Amino acid sequence: EIVMTQSPDSLALSLGERATINCRSSQTVFDTSNSKNYLAWYQQKPGQSPKLLIHWASTRESGVPDRFSGSGSGTDFTLTISSLQPEDVAVYYCQQYYFTPPITFGQGTRLDIK
Amino acid sequence: QVQLQESGPGVVKPSETLSLTCTVSGYSIGTGYSLIYWGWIRQSPEKGLEWIGSLYNSASTYYNPSLKGRVSMSLDTSKNQISLDLAFVTAADAAVYFCARNRSGAGFFDLWGRGTLVAVSS
Repeated sequence: EIVMTQSPDSLALSLGERATINCRSSQTVFDTSNSKNYLAWYQQKPGQSPKLLIHWASTRESGVPDRFSGSGSGTDFTLTISSLQPEDVAVYYCQQYYFTPPITFGQGTRLDIK
Repeated sequence: QVQLQESGPGVVKPSETLSLTCTVSGYSIGTGYSLIYWGWIRQSPEKGLEWIGSLYNSASTYYNPSLKGRVSMSLDTSKNQISLDLAFVTAADAAVYFCARNRSGAGFFDLWGRGTLVAVSS
C-alpha cells in the first residue's frame, strides 16, 4: 500500500498570500509508460463532500479557479494557491491512484485565514 | 446534471451488515461502452478518507484489502443505483460514507454525493 503524507497538518495565512501544501508518497506514482503522475488533489469545505481540484498531478479540473495549481513528480507533489481567498478555507487532501488497490489519501491539511 | 445521493439506515448494530445505496440521477449507469467507475469512500476522524472499493460493472469490482472480504458492491441498472454491503460491522466502521464517480476509469473521483452518516451501536 502506498502511504501518502501531507505537510503541514495545518496552516493559517493572510488573504492574498500564497499557500503551499506538500504531499509525499511512499512509492513513486509516476508511470513511465505514459509519463503520467497518478496524483489528485481535493478540497473539502466544512459540512461538504470533497471536491476534485487537480488530477494527473497538474491538470486543473474544469471550473477550478486558476489560482490553484499542482506540481511535482514521482514521490513529491505540491498544491499551490497563488493568492488566498476567503472561500479557500478548507481541508485539502492528496490521493494516489497508481498502485491500487487500494487507492489511498493523505491525512489532510487544514487551511485557515489568519 | 449528474447527482449522487446516498441513503442508508443511519444506525447499525455490531456484527450486523451495513447496506447503503447510492442513487444516480441525470445519467443512466447502464450506459454501454462507458469508462465510468463508481466508488465508495468513507471518512472518520480516526482514519480520515478511506477508499472502500470501486466497480465498473458487477463483474469488475475492486475492494480495499484492509476490509478483509467483508465488502460487496453491485449495480442495479433498473433502479440506477449502486449498492454497498459491509458485513460484521464494528465501531471502527462508523463513518460518513460517500459514493463517487470515477469518470475516466483512472482512479480519481470527479463527482461525490453528500454522504450519509453511519453509527454503529447496539
